[in-house]
Amino acid sequence: EVQLVESGGGLVKPGGSLRLSCAASGFTFSSNSMNWVRQAPGKGLEWVSSISSSSSYIYYADSVKGRFTISRDNAKNSLYLQMNSLRAEDTAVYYCTRGGAIPYWGQGTLVTVSS
Amino acid sequence: EIVLTQSPGTLSLSPGERATLSCRASQSVSSTYLAWYQQRPGQAPRLLIYGASSRATGIPDRFSGSGSGTDFTLTISRLESEDFAVYYCQQYGSSQGYTFGQGTKLEIK
Repeated sequence: EVQLVESGGGLVKPGGSLRLSCAASGFTFSSNSMNWVRQAPGKGLEWVSSISSSSSYIYYADSVKGRFTISRDNAKNSLYLQMNSLRAEDTAVYYCTRGGAIPYWGQGTLVTVSS
Repeated sequence: EIVLTQSPGTLSLSPGERATLSCRASQSVSSTYLAWYQQRPGQAPRLLIYGASSRATGIPDRFSGSGSGTDFTLTISRLESEDFAVYYCQQYGSSQGYTFGQGTKLEIK
């Protein structure tokens, strides 16, 4: 069974940093691209970043470019999102998703940016 | 960037009725990478349809997807009480990022 479990969310002050993790199991992690998607309270879904299976290709939404860094460790079946210079508008539930023909999503981790 | 526009924004129907939700893309989307999700309050999005017309594991057959190119449709043949939720379409074939529609809220009339 495919499982994606996010962790690392929490309350952080504006300008602060946070690192999200996603532990993957039930599939060949190293063969799949991975993504982060977020959803602000009461809002729709927003793609944040994607990384190819070997980390050769990385993409970011304009809203996070230069502040967020996506990475992965295929030996640990893990995906990461380093978030720096956080703003109030980054407050959201962050989901880890698997790429490929059939998407899979985790349950999300809440990030709250507030003073 | 591919923009997905969903209509209507809100759909008010009664249990037992048929629901038809639309997703229109600003440019052609590969059918292989068009998905539909259901989201209930406080829950993560649930994959319903992938590849434009394939039902995900465990999804009842009252849910069906169709379409190609720039026009896609999610149909719920006979609404049940648990189907009232928000629905999103998503394209995930662009190498430069996913995009989502803004959502259709399906509410009880």
